[in-house]
Amino acid sequence: TQLLEQSPQFLSIQEGENLTVYCNSSSVFSSLQWYRQEPGEGPVLLVTVVTGGEVKKLKRLTFQFGDARKDSSLHITAAQPGDTGLYLCAGVHKLIFGQGTELSVKP
Amino acid sequence: EAQVTQNPRYLITVTGKKLTVTCSQNMNHEYMSWYRQDPGLGLRQIYYSMNVEVTDKGDVPEGYKVSRKEKRNFPLILESPSPNQTSLYFCASRKSVSGNTIYFGEGSWLTVV
Repeated sequence: TQLLEQSPQFLSIQEGENLTVYCNSSSVFSSLQWYRQEPGEGPVLLVTVVTGGEVKKLKRLTFQFGDARKDSSLHITAAQPGDTGLYLCAGVHKLIFGQGTELSVKP
Repeated sequence: EAQVTQNPRYLITVTGKKLTVTCSQNMNHEYMSWYRQDPGLGLRQIYYSMNVEVTDKGDVPEGYKVSRKEKRNFPLILESPSPNQTSLYFCASRKSVSGNTIYFGEGSWLTVV
């Protein structure tokens, strides 16, 4: 069974701080995705990373896929309260999810 | 409009009373799957289907059944619900197992008392 471990599970920071969320596995993934989810709603896709070592940027969010395609990270620069939510990584082929990182950004 | 529709959105039921949560997609997608979401556990896959009449267990299939008799529908059946099946359920679909664009339903809040 492919497993994705996310860390940290909870993160509470002040507006303007930087943060990094990690997604790790012992398995190789052909591609990984990152989602953001608001309470009571379905996950919304942020990015898909496909190539080992790939870096993608989405405004203040930077996503990286590990060289060996076993891990990924999400870095947020100068976090805003609007970034608050649950962040999930997912292995695309079998569409399995990590347990999520609950981010709270306080004004 | 591309949609994945789940029903019911909210349900409170009693232990042992069979229920079905329906899921329908209008995109002619081959791949559909069901998840349950519990605090701190992310989305855990219950069952998935790669095409009509092709279904397989996910990580937490116990207590659930599914069927895929036609491409658009993928119902989730709880034959004898128990309180530990109280959860938020999501249905998802994509064009094929290799498709990157995944569409989620709006979620179904199920409470078993």
